[in-house]
Amino acid sequence: GAVVSQHPSWVICKSGTSVKIECRSLDFQATTMFWYRQFPKQSLMLMATSNEGSKATYEQGVEKDKFLINHASLTLSTLTVTSAHPEDSSFYICSAPFGTENIQYFGAGTRLSVL
Amino acid sequence: SQQGEEDPQALSIQEGENATMNCSYKTSINNLQWYRQNSGRGLVHLILIRSNEREKHSGRLRVTLDTSKKSSSLLITASRAADTASYFCATDPFYTDKLIFGTGTRLQVFP
Repeated sequence: GAVVSQHPSWVICKSGTSVKIECRSLDFQATTMFWYRQFPKQSLMLMATSNEGSKATYEQGVEKDKFLINHASLTLSTLTVTSAHPEDSSFYICSAPFGTENIQYFGAGTRLSVL
Repeated sequence: SQQGEEDPQALSIQEGENATMNCSYKTSINNLQWYRQNSGRGLVHLILIRSNEREKHSGRLRVTLDTSKKSSSLLITASRAADTASYFCATDPFYTDKLIFGTGTRLQVFP
């Protein structure tokens, strides 16, 4: 099956620092990956679509300078939360589609806590 | 918002009982999918039903789709404590490659 690995699973950082989260497709190539944010007991909120070799497409209201996305290879997309603040604390999840029917395979998620 | 609506928001049942979750959506779709999320983890794909299908089974899961009403239901039969999780429907619309997720149902199964 298709496996997506996300790292780190948990990170604590000080306010003002930047944090990078990696999303890797381990056994398939992903020209597109998706980044979501999830608040407690809520659904996923799509932040952006990561496109290999080109700029990411951000959803309305998501600051692209705050959440930098790089998709430099067919198996790796990264999300960098720049100058993190406590309000950026959340659960971030990535996914990649595999197959012909747009089934998404998800990473295990990253819990970010900004102090 | 394009987000699908699910009900109930939360459901608590005893082991052995059946659990039914409903999903409504807004646009024409290629397919509708159901995902499960254990607390603090990523989502796992459970089952997909195409727009030209009305019912589909997979193990203890039964999914129905009514495209005229833009609604779907997920039935988990003979539930187990291990089924405790959040369940999300997701539609694959014609107009985009992004999935549109529902609001989710939190299922608690008591042993």
